[in-house]
Amino acid sequence: QQQVKQSPQSLIVQKGGISIINCAYENTAFDYFPWYQQFPGKGPALLIAIRPDVSEKKEGRFTISFNKSAKQFSLHIMDSQPGDSATYFCAATVTLKTSYDKVIFGPGTSLSVIP
Amino acid sequence: DAGITQSPRYKITETGRQVTLMCHQTWSHSYMFWYRQDLGHGLRLIYYSAAADITDKGEVPDGYVVSRSKTENFPLTLESATRSQTSVYFCASRARAGGKNIQYFGAGTRLSVL
Repeated sequence: QQQVKQSPQSLIVQKGGISIINCAYENTAFDYFPWYQQFPGKGPALLIAIRPDVSEKKEGRFTISFNKSAKQFSLHIMDSQPGDSATYFCAATVTLKTSYDKVIFGPGTSLSVIP
Repeated sequence: DAGITQSPRYKITETGRQVTLMCHQTWSHSYMFWYRQDLGHGLRLIYYSAAADITDKGEVPDGYVVSRSKTENFPLTLESATRSQTSVYFCASRARAGGKNIQYFGAGTRLSVL
């Protein structure tokens, strides 16, 4: 119930193409869905996030699509660039008690954008 | 430098030894976290702290001890290291922005237990 599934495990995309990473969850109590980007040797950093009452959120070349009924959400990277090569983690948060929300991370997707 | 600093960045130790990983933040965030990152598992929460002297277990706390005597420091100790604790460890702190909580991560400590 607390798990977040993520696919694919790895992804290779040509420069200029669209990268798509999919995630799914079971717990309907999740109330926030962030995506984190991690470059080699660095810690994860928040990339973009969405609330479950919104079906899509776009920030530059990055778009989250959210399907509440299917309990699925995905990250789309338009015009993918070699600099986007990183590991991407989807996550889901649930508020357990006042001021504390638990974050559940997916297993990650390693994206390689080739020139 | 502002942010979260973890030390050491790399550590090799032997089974049974005690190891302490350090984490320091300059923001004075109340909440701090320790995660371990393993291939295929993403990030799993070990311990978290809501404030100085307040800590609580996460998903995988066994074999680890934490303390938080000052807001800015949150060390993680492996009392008797085991090979299964070979991993990359990330410390994070949490800020509130736009009505939601955002976690900021350090650069990580790569620990190898031989």
